[in-house]
Amino acid sequence: GENVEQHPSTLSVQEGDSAVIKCTYSDSASNYFPWYKQELGKGPQLIIDIRSNVGEKKDQRIAVTLNKTAKHFSLHITETQPEDSAVYFCAASIRGAGTASKLTFGTGTRLQVTL
Amino acid sequence: DTAVSQTPKYLVTQMGNDKSIKCEQNLGHDTMYWYKQDSKKFLKIMFSYNNKELIINETVPNRFSPKSPDKAHLNLHINSLELGDSAVYFCASSQAYGRGGTDTQYFGPGTRLTVL
Repeated sequence: GENVEQHPSTLSVQEGDSAVIKCTYSDSASNYFPWYKQELGKGPQLIIDIRSNVGEKKDQRIAVTLNKTAKHFSLHITETQPEDSAVYFCAASIRGAGTASKLTFGTGTRLQVTL
Repeated sequence: DTAVSQTPKYLVTQMGNDKSIKCEQNLGHDTMYWYKQDSKKFLKIMFSYNNKELIINETVPNRFSPKSPDKAHLNLHINSLELGDSAVYFCASSQAYGRGGTDTQYFGPGTRLTVL
């Protein structure tokens, strides 16, 4: 089955700096890679996703890149703000394989943005 | 508000008891999921139902029994609770990519289960 590794497990940046979180996956059939943000006491919320036919996607301060050959994908947050502090999860799945999308999550990165 | 909702938010119970967690979504999705998040924050899928039919059943003890009375509801019943069942349980829903949706999973707020 799919295995997703995520690094680093914790990341501390100063406000205004950039943050990068990296993930690798094992199943070359995976074609959908969402990123979720989980704030304390809340459920994971989708912040951005990318399909395997796209190499990069950007949404304001957040961008995701995908290298299918190396099976790597990364989340980039620019101009970090204190409200970006949360746990971030990458995930991988095979989209369109049926009625359910079985997400395999990474182990999470706790991002702390300090003033 | 359109959302995935779960009840209760907190559940504290003794070992050996039986308990249920309820989930409802009003997003019009036809697929629902249960995930378990352990103390190290690791998220793992347990079950998935599509239109009341079980389609994903991971390696979960048979003390856990999901039930879907209709496509908007997915409940989780746990028998003979054990200490190791303590975790946060998340419900999620999605609409399949091939059925007018995006496969994006939307999560509920979670139910923190503590077994004493």
